[in-house]
Amino acid sequence: DAGVTQSPTHLIKTRGQHVTLRCSPISGHKSVSWYQQVLGQGPQFIFQYYEKEERGRGNFPDRFSARQFPNYSSELNVNALLLGDSALYLCASSRELIYGYTFGSGTRLTVV
Amino acid sequence: QQQVKQSPQSLIVQKGGISIINCAYENTAFDYFPWYQQFPGKGPALLIAIRPDVSEKKEGRFTISFNKSAKQFSLHIMDSQPGDSATYFCAASIRGSNYKLTFGKGTLLTVNP
Repeated sequence: DAGVTQSPTHLIKTRGQHVTLRCSPISGHKSVSWYQQVLGQGPQFIFQYYEKEERGRGNFPDRFSARQFPNYSSELNVNALLLGDSALYLCASSRELIYGYTFGSGTRLTVV
Repeated sequence: QQQVKQSPQSLIVQKGGISIINCAYENTAFDYFPWYQQFPGKGPALLIAIRPDVSEKKEGRFTISFNKSAKQFSLHIMDSQPGDSATYFCAASIRGSNYKLTFGKGTLLTVNP
């Protein structure tokens, strides 16, 4: 079975631009979460979605938004990019709203 | 406010030795404590996890020890191998928050041959 798939793998954007990151969960997984991992730090929770509804939001500004589609895939959008948004963005999926999330390999975003 | 504190930041162990990584938490509502292993260019992978109703859990060479009263838990890697060289993260979560994970800052483990 395919794992959690994220695209693109790498991305370079300019300050002020907008970015959309995509995630396909493991087949049968209904919950998707997004995490931001700054270099040298542990991942930080951004959003959690289950059955297309937002079920949790971390301490991130409104420039960050996300959604989940009927096929359970998800998008993370970031507006007005700042240099500090440079990070590895991780998507994790789970069958239900339980523990045992499986992470994808992430999208490395560089803002210049 | 860092809710999960992890130490050490980095660790060098000889092949066959024991690697020990420690974590301390503040929120007594945490009820699930996983450890993740991350290789460069990859996402974190679940290694082993424990709930606070047990004091120890062992899976192969990996053991979690849990001390509820001290609000501490640790990962022990027995017979450490060069292939174990990676960054290890402890985490904690709460059933009531749908198990969103709060991670420590990570420990870079290097196992020398």
